[in-house]
Amino acid sequence: EAQVTQNPRYLITVTGKKLTVTCSQNMNHEYMSWYRQDPGLGLRQIYYSMNVEVTDKGDVPEGYKVSRKEKRNFPLILESPSPNQTSLYFCASSFGSVATNEKLFFGSGTQLSVL
Amino acid sequence: RKEVEQDPGPFNVPEGATVAFNCTYSNSASQSFFWYRQDCRKEPKLLMSVYSSGNEDGRFTAQLNRASQYISLLIRDSKLSDSATYLCVLLGGGGSYIPTFGRGTSLIVHP
Repeated sequence: EAQVTQNPRYLITVTGKKLTVTCSQNMNHEYMSWYRQDPGLGLRQIYYSMNVEVTDKGDVPEGYKVSRKEKRNFPLILESPSPNQTSLYFCASSFGSVATNEKLFFGSGTQLSVL
Repeated sequence: RKEVEQDPGPFNVPEGATVAFNCTYSNSASQSFFWYRQDCRKEPKLLMSVYSSGNEDGRFTAQLNRASQYISLLIRDSKLSDSATYLCVLLGGGGSYIPTFGRGTSLIVHP
């Protein structure tokens, strides 16, 4: 089944304790992206990647890192989480082509709470 | 002006009603347009693409007006299960793939 797998679904941590949220897709997609969603603010892009070893900052990259060593995986790393990073996070992927009207596939989300 | 603007609502309608949402955009270079549906705390899912000539999928009709730079979604015969947030998404402004999201319009369908 074509899917984006995101783990964990829920995560509670404390300030400063490094964490990684994993994202994997099985559709051979070039484009992968991370978003955070907060009430009233909609989906905001954190980082994105157009291909292996190519990553770019989105609108709210501060406090986050990503890597794209393999096409299928795009982990989100919080080196020193802070309470303002408490949010609902989504990973998404697609073939990344405007010409072919490619839709985004989303992971099921990670609710992160930083205490 | 925000790149993509949507009335956050909520739109509160009875079952069976017809309801319409608009989404205005500022980047005239945007090439592709979509409506996504998002249930509370769940991932967004594609509802339908929006084509220049307008398109229909069952009770849902999407329209694109490039001259006025907006897209619309019309839902006929609303069901309780239509209650959700509807996000408009644009692609291709400036030639890049990077999607631009509206903040969503909340729809509540009541009995």
